[in-house]
Amino acid sequence: RKEVEQDPGPFNVPEGATVAFNCTYSNSASQSFFWYRQDCRKEPKLLMSVYSSGNEDGRFTAQLNRASQYISLLIRDSKLSDSATYLCVVIPGGYQKVTFGTGTKLQVIP
Amino acid sequence: EAQVTQNPRYLITVTGKKLTVTCSQNMNHEYMSWYRQDPGLGLRQIYYSMNVEVTDKGDVPEGYKVSRKEKRNFPLILESPSPNQTSLYFCASSLEPVAGDTGELFFGEGSRLTVL
Repeated sequence: RKEVEQDPGPFNVPEGATVAFNCTYSNSASQSFFWYRQDCRKEPKLLMSVYSSGNEDGRFTAQLNRASQYISLLIRDSKLSDSATYLCVVIPGGYQKVTFGTGTKLQVIP
Repeated sequence: EAQVTQNPRYLITVTGKKLTVTCSQNMNHEYMSWYRQDPGLGLRQIYYSMNVEVTDKGDVPEGYKVSRKEKRNFPLILESPSPNQTSLYFCASSLEPVAGDTGELFFGEGSRLTVL
């Protein structure tokens, strides 16, 4: 089993739609979780951290389920500019071994 | 401007010709790391450094070397490049330990390397 798994997509959704991505991880000792966004093979950029209590940033909501070992990202009211690849990142503790998921591609259609 | 700078951005070379990809950050970050990105495999960590003179292997260190003689620089060295090292390489830096809950890795723009 891969350490971090994501559905590669692509997810093709119309503007205004709500879309959700999941990311599962295998190391139960993992402590830190993040979502990054990557545009067209450019550098990844932090979208948001994922807290145990869940967190929201505008149209984006991230959640962590430790019991089932997955994190999720919900995007509401999708915009064309949301089209990108979304990478989940799992870190055991401190920045040592950083494991990226392979990414989920989102295409928002007019 | 806070940034991570990689050079070269694009390089085509031949098998066996040693090359170095430089990485420099101006944010006084303790932690630096290198990744390669390949289709279907995502970003994989090559090496990381927690501080000056402290480096350690990531998931795919074979065929690569690094050094951390200064805090700001973390060059990636390919002593004898082979075609399977053709990839998109990213350098990243971060405060260490993780700065609060941000945990932000700052990436360079990437270096696309082709080994013929």
